[in-house]
Amino acid sequence: AQSVTQPDIHITVSEGASLELRCNYSYGATPYLFWYVQSPGQGLQLLLKYFSGDTLVQGIKGFEAEFKRSQSSFNLRKPSVHWSDAAEYFCAVLRGSTLGRLYFGRGTQLTVWP
Amino acid sequence: DADVTQTPRNRITKTGKRIMLECSQTKGHDRMYWYRQDPGLGLRLIYYSFDVKDINKGEISDGYSVSRQAQAKFSLSLESAIPNQTALYFCATSDSGNQPQHFGDGTRLSIL
Repeated sequence: AQSVTQPDIHITVSEGASLELRCNYSYGATPYLFWYVQSPGQGLQLLLKYFSGDTLVQGIKGFEAEFKRSQSSFNLRKPSVHWSDAAEYFCAVLRGSTLGRLYFGRGTQLTVWP
Repeated sequence: DADVTQTPRNRITKTGKRIMLECSQTKGHDRMYWYRQDPGLGLRLIYYSFDVKDINKGEISDGYSVSRQAQAKFSLSLESAIPNQTALYFCATSDSGNQPQHFGDGTRLSIL
C-alpha cells in the first residue's frame, strides 16, 4: 500500500506567488516526516523534518510545513516563490515499524514562471 | 569534498554487462542505502545496510546485489544489466533509524 501520496505531479506558479505542495501519508501512529528537494543533476537535499512537538516546522530556503494528524497531511509551503525554487520536491516518511527505511512519494515538479 | 560520493556519475553500457556503482561517505554514518529513481515513481529502495555485517533487501532488490566493504563504502552491482534497469541511482547514509538520510549526487545509468 502506498505510504506517501503527493497528489500533484506538476505545479506551475509565478515568481513571487505563494506555494503549497501537498503530501498525505498512511500510517496509524505518528511517523517521522521529511521534505526533500532535488535540483536538476543533483541529489536530494533535506528541506525540513517533523518528529514531534510543534506541528509547524521551519526549514531551509524559507520553506515551512505543517503536520495535521487529523488529515494525515504534511504540506509544504512558501509565502513567496523564487525562480531558483524550480525543482522536484519529495515528501518522505519513516514508519516506526520499519525504522530506518524511508518511503517516498512520487514527487511534485515545480515550475516557476518569471 | 562531498560527504557522500558516488562513482561514476554517468555510465552507458550494454545489455548483459556486469556493472558496479560505488558509494563512499565521510560522514561516519553506520547506515547506508541504495535507491533507484524513475520518472514519476519517486525513489525506491534497493538494498540497505545498518552496519558492515548487516545487509537487507529493499522493495526492488531483484537483479541487484550489494557489498559493504567497510563502514564508509557500499557498492551496488548489476550482475547482468538489462534495459529496464536504466535509471538514476542514489546512495544515502544516515546516523540512526530516525535521522534524515543524506544523499549523494546520483549515478545516471543507461543500458542499451
